[in-house]
Order: sequence, then structure tokens, then C-alpha cells
Amino acid sequence: EIVLTQSPATLSLSPGEGATLSCRASQGISTDLAWYQQKPGQSPRLLVYAASNRATGIPARFSGSGSGTDFTLTISSLEPEDSAVYYCQQRSSWPPSFTFGQGTKLEIK
Amino acid sequence: EVQLVQSGAEVRKPGESLKISCKTSGYSFNNNSIAWVRQMPGKGLEWMGIIYPADSATRYSRTFQGQVIISADKSISTAYLQSTSLKASDTAMYYCARVPTGRWIDHWGQGTLVTVSS
Repeated sequence: EIVLTQSPATLSLSPGEGATLSCRASQGISTDLAWYQQKPGQSPRLLVYAASNRATGIPARFSGSGSGTDFTLTISSLEPEDSAVYYCQQRSSWPPSFTFGQGTKLEIK
Repeated sequence: EVQLVQSGAEVRKPGESLKISCKTSGYSFNNNSIAWVRQMPGKGLEWMGIIYPADSATRYSRTFQGQVIISADKSISTAYLQSTSLKASDTAMYYCARVPTGRWIDHWGQGTLVTVSS
């Protein structure tokens, strides 16, 4: 079973700064990775799919990259509303399953 | 507009059963999988299982295999999550979500809070 490990666990940055969130897979998954944002009291929201494709309506300051085992979500020029927990997710063909990373909490000072 | 609307919050006693619903609209229910995701208080997201409504094929996480039943009623575009013999540790928010390509989730329900307490 593939394990996704996210780092750091918590990130505290100021508005206008850039953020780099990492997701590492225990084995190669090509570009079969998505990123989600979850704000307190809300359902998660899809940000990026297939490692680097922004979902509909997602601002250009969010970008994803990577392939194989190492993936990155980059948020340029942070805004206060970017404060949230960010999860990566992959799907395994066999056994059929989804896996989420444990999340990175991003705090905007 | 794609919508997934879940049934309301539930309170149950340990040992009781529960069935929560996820009513969908705005897209072809048959041709898009529905996943269920658990989020325990203050914790991360856990994939529970998935159903492909066209043929009702289901897959479960090893953690939830045998503990829950996922089903769907194509006639009313609704998916269900059923659990029997609830425990206090089943207290959580449960989300349904659309999985259009079978690989990631593009729309989420609003969540159903389940509280299990004596």
C-alpha cells in the first residue's frame, strides 16, 4: 500500500511570502496526485490534479509540480484566505484504494 | 451545477446503526464514482470506499471493509453509507464526494456529522 508523507506538518508565513508544501510517495505514482485545501468548518476543495493541473476556478498563485515520488504544491504571494490545511492524495490501481497524506497546516501570520 | 447534498447530523448510541445519504444533481450519476471519506475530530481525511453507480461495483479501504456498506440508488441519483453496531470512535464528519475519472475528487458534499455517545 502506497503511503504519502507530507512536510512540513505546520507552516507559518506572512502575507506576500511564498509557500512550498511537499508530498512524498512511498513508491512511484507517475503524476497520479491531487492536492486539496480545507478551511476550518468547510469541505475540502480540489486545487490541483494530475500533479500540475489547476482545477477550475483556482487562482494562478497555486501551482503543482513533480512526478514519481516527490511532489510540491507552491503558493506564491500568500493571502490571508490561504490559511488552511492542505492534503495530497493518490489513487492505487491495485489494490484499488485512495490514500491521503496527513496534511500540512498553513498559518498566515 | 454539480451538487452533492448530504443528510443532516445524526446522534446515535453505541451499538445502534445508521444510514446517511448523498443526493446528487447536475451531472450523470451513473457515470461518475462516489467516494466516502471520514474525518475524525481534529484529524485528517480517510478514504472509506467508493461505488460506481452504473454497476454498483464497490471497493473498500481495508480499514472499513466489513464495517460499512456503500450503496447507490440510480433512480434517485443518491448514494448511501451504512454502518451497524456503531462505536464512540465512529464519531466523525463523513463526506461523500464525486470522483469523475476514478482518480481524484472534484466535488464534495457538505459533510454529515455523526455523534455516537451513550
